[in-house]
Amino acid sequence: AQSVTQPDIHITVSEGASLELRCNYSYGATPYLFWYVQSPGQGLQLLLKYFSGDTLVQGIKGFEAEFKRSQSSFNLRKPSVHWSDAAEYFCAVGGVYKYIFGTGTRLKVLA
Amino acid sequence: DTAVSQTPKYLVTQMGNDKSIKCEQNLGHDTMYWYKQDSKKFLKIMFSYNNKELIINETVPNRFSPKSPDKAHLNLHINSLELGDSAVYFCASSYRDPNEQFFGPGTRLTVL
Repeated sequence: AQSVTQPDIHITVSEGASLELRCNYSYGATPYLFWYVQSPGQGLQLLLKYFSGDTLVQGIKGFEAEFKRSQSSFNLRKPSVHWSDAAEYFCAVGGVYKYIFGTGTRLKVLA
Repeated sequence: DTAVSQTPKYLVTQMGNDKSIKCEQNLGHDTMYWYKQDSKKFLKIMFSYNNKELIINETVPNRFSPKSPDKAHLNLHINSLELGDSAVYFCASSYRDPNEQFFGPGTRLTVL
């Protein structure tokens, strides 16, 4: 069955600290992978995506993610978190008009 | 300029009523989607449309009827509303799926 798992429901980090949000997926074919961010009361915005090629992808706002096929993972990283990064982060997998989203990780940033 | 817009932003109604949510995108995209986000933030796809044609219907009750009058619009009509329909509904669009989806701001539906 196709699925996306984000093991961490909540993560709290101090401003300036590094961040890693985990995402594991189960998908029959080669997956198209995405990370989206949702600020309170807003729609989702794409941070980055992976379709093929270099397994380390760069996104907006200083985020990057690494696709590891052997681990079925697509973890999101940022070297130094800013207070404005506090939001809900969603990993998604799919393609061909159908997408599965993870349950999200809520990031809290301490000043 | 708003890329993907939805109206209304909030919708409060009684059980059993019928309501519609409208979605418009001005990005020239060929694919549009409806998602439901429940109170636990779980986001689940409901429908996908490509060039006005229904592509994906994710086992949504037939009380939900999407309609796409043209490529820029995808409306969602819900009949006989139930308490469990309370959620935030997001419209999204993309160009040449699979690709980045652009999401609207959401419509918060509350059924009393």
